[in-house]
Amino acid sequence: GNSVTQMEGPVTLSEEAFLTINCTYTATGYPSLFWYVQYPGEGLQLLLKATKADDKGSNKGFEATYRKETTSFHLEKGSVQVSDSAVYFCALTGYGNNRLAFGKGNQVVVIP
Amino acid sequence: DAGVIQSPRHEVTEMGQEVTLRCKPISGHNSLFWYRQTMMRGLELLIYFNNNVPIDDSGMPEDRFSAKMPNASFSTLKIQPSEPRDSAVYFCASSPRLAGGNPYNEQFFGPGTRLTVL
Repeated sequence: GNSVTQMEGPVTLSEEAFLTINCTYTATGYPSLFWYVQYPGEGLQLLLKATKADDKGSNKGFEATYRKETTSFHLEKGSVQVSDSAVYFCALTGYGNNRLAFGKGNQVVVIP
Repeated sequence: DAGVIQSPRHEVTEMGQEVTLRCKPISGHNSLFWYRQTMMRGLELLIYFNNNVPIDDSGMPEDRFSAKMPNASFSTLKIQPSEPRDSAVYFCASSPRLAGGNPYNEQFFGPGTRLTVL
């Protein structure tokens, strides 16, 4: 079945540092890939998406590229801000449906 | 536009009591999802509905959990009897109908209900 694996553990970094969160997936066919973000005390919200191989999703300075050859969708941001502190979830859905498979999430803490 | 509405936002109850969580999806959306989030297990899909019909309830932990969607604008998740291990944040999410040529649809999450069972 479909599944998503995110790197273990929280990520703590200083303001303006470079952020990378790894995400790899297992799926049949041609899944769509997502990053969701959860700010403290809130529900999840879509950050960015990519629906086919080599697509790059981007939003709010974050980027992720759909790499079919490595089954990866790593999230990057060149210069993080304190306001980026949140939990980030990688997710996928199979073609033609809207049920999501989520990774376990990564807590990101940005220190001023 | 109003987003997904959940109530209550916080619920504290004692073991053995019945708990009912409520969700109003975004108007016009035809899919609804119930999730549970804990530190230990992360985000788990409990059940989802398409057009008010339960499609997959394999994530419902046990018979103490039940969910209904009597109409397109309302769903409930009930726990009876509740136990301390049910303490978690419960999210409801909705998504619109898959349109022709669109391979996916975004899920829109509510703010969650934080349940504490003592």
